[in-house]
Amino acid sequence: NAGVTQTPKFRILKIGQSMTLQCTQDMNHNYMYWYRQDPGMGLKLIYYSVGAGITDKGEVPNGYNVSRSTTEDFPLRLELAAPSQTSVYFCASSYSMSGSQPQHFGDGTRLSIL
Amino acid sequence: AQTVTQSQPEMSVQEAETVTLSCTYDTSESDYYLFWYKQPPSRQMILVIRQEAYKQQNATENRFSVNFQKAAKSFSLKISDSQLGDAAMYFCAYRSSNNAGNMLTFGGGTRLMVKP
Repeated sequence: NAGVTQTPKFRILKIGQSMTLQCTQDMNHNYMYWYRQDPGMGLKLIYYSVGAGITDKGEVPNGYNVSRSTTEDFPLRLELAAPSQTSVYFCASSYSMSGSQPQHFGDGTRLSIL
Repeated sequence: AQTVTQSQPEMSVQEAETVTLSCTYDTSESDYYLFWYKQPPSRQMILVIRQEAYKQQNATENRFSVNFQKAAKSFSLKISDSQLGDAAMYFCAYRSSNNAGNMLTFGGGTRLMVKP
């Protein structure tokens, strides 16, 4: 059972570079999320999606973009990497229609901007 | 906006003993959901236990149980018979029932150390 798969697991970028963090889930979940976790801190929501073609901003969306062309995939794009975006990024998904359903998380991507 | 506070940055427990991790939250809603997630050094986020606010009975999952005090807006996690594998970061999280996206709001986490 794959669950939520994130690639890559680690990446080092130079300031100003761009990259896309990939996230895919095989549980047919409608809801998907991107979080960032700074050292010693809890997770903060960047963007979320309630279904294909629908995305919305979370708490810390600046500097990021997302798209949701399919139910399975929810990539996160960094256009101009900045040192403040050094963090661990988690993708998650959940079944819709029930708030009690937990979010299932990927293993995270550790991103360093130098 | 809801906030979740974990006031204990670090906790330590002796193996086989019991430890309680604290979590408080701020909300004006009456219907919501609360979760505890465990994050071991592997970075995975693992669901430990969940509680629906409309249920008065405290949730339990094997050695893990919660003390949900709705009026006090408190949601503590009790780990009984602590094991070395329980060492991890623990995050408390809140989800509103009115939240169209079912998003989670996380606390800052508590690092639990288990001494052999």
